Amino acid sequence: DAGVIQSPRHEVTEMGQEVTLRCKPISGHNSLFWYRQTMMRGLELLIYFNNNVPIDDSGMPEDRFSAKMPNASFSTLKIQPSEPRDSAVYFCASSFLDQPQHFGDGTRLSIL
Amino acid sequence: AQSVSQHNHHVILSEAASLELGCNYSYGGTVNLFWYVQYPGQHLQLLLKYFSGDPLVKGIKGFEAEFIKSKFSFNLRKPSVQWSDTAEYFCAVNYRDNYGQNFVFGPGTRLSVLP
Repeated sequence: DAGVIQSPRHEVTEMGQEVTLRCKPISGHNSLFWYRQTMMRGLELLIYFNNNVPIDDSGMPEDRFSAKMPNASFSTLKIQPSEPRDSAVYFCASSFLDQPQHFGDGTRLSIL
Repeated sequence: AQSVSQHNHHVILSEAASLELGCNYSYGGTVNLFWYVQYPGQHLQLLLKYFSGDPLVKGIKGFEAEFIKSKFSFNLRKPSVQWSDTAEYFCAVNYRDNYGQNFVFGPGTRLSVLP
């Protein structure tokens, strides 16, 4: 079982650049979640999808953030333009119905 | 919006001490409950879960949690902690409403175990 796969593991880029984070959920899972974790704000839910449809995006900080799930095996989280305050670890998680979420290893994002 | 609260932000214990981390949730209907652990530099991993049945559930690494419905609580316990238990612990609740499945995480409790 491959687990939830996120890429890249680390990303360092300059302010103003576009950043794209990728996630492959566990096969058969029908829900996918994007989280952001920082020391100051802890673990924050950004958006989650059910059967590829965005259900709750109230956690998306602003219009610079967007997420897509074009099919059941792939999702992206995009930040454009990026800012230093977006620096964080971004986790993707997936689950099946009410079963526990499985987390990926995260992407550590640093915006200079 | 429903919420999950965790009583302590940071807990510091010596090895062999007993541990209890508090968790309360606000949803009044049927819930599934989880505890996750995040070791330094790693992702969240499931520690234990409660869906139904015996309210005392046992998880990995000697952890257990008790569901008390009347108190909306799901406290995590371990009789004797080890230095390797140093991590952040998250309580989470899953419930279903008219809009579908919902997962809510608590803010986390950092546990530091001194050798």
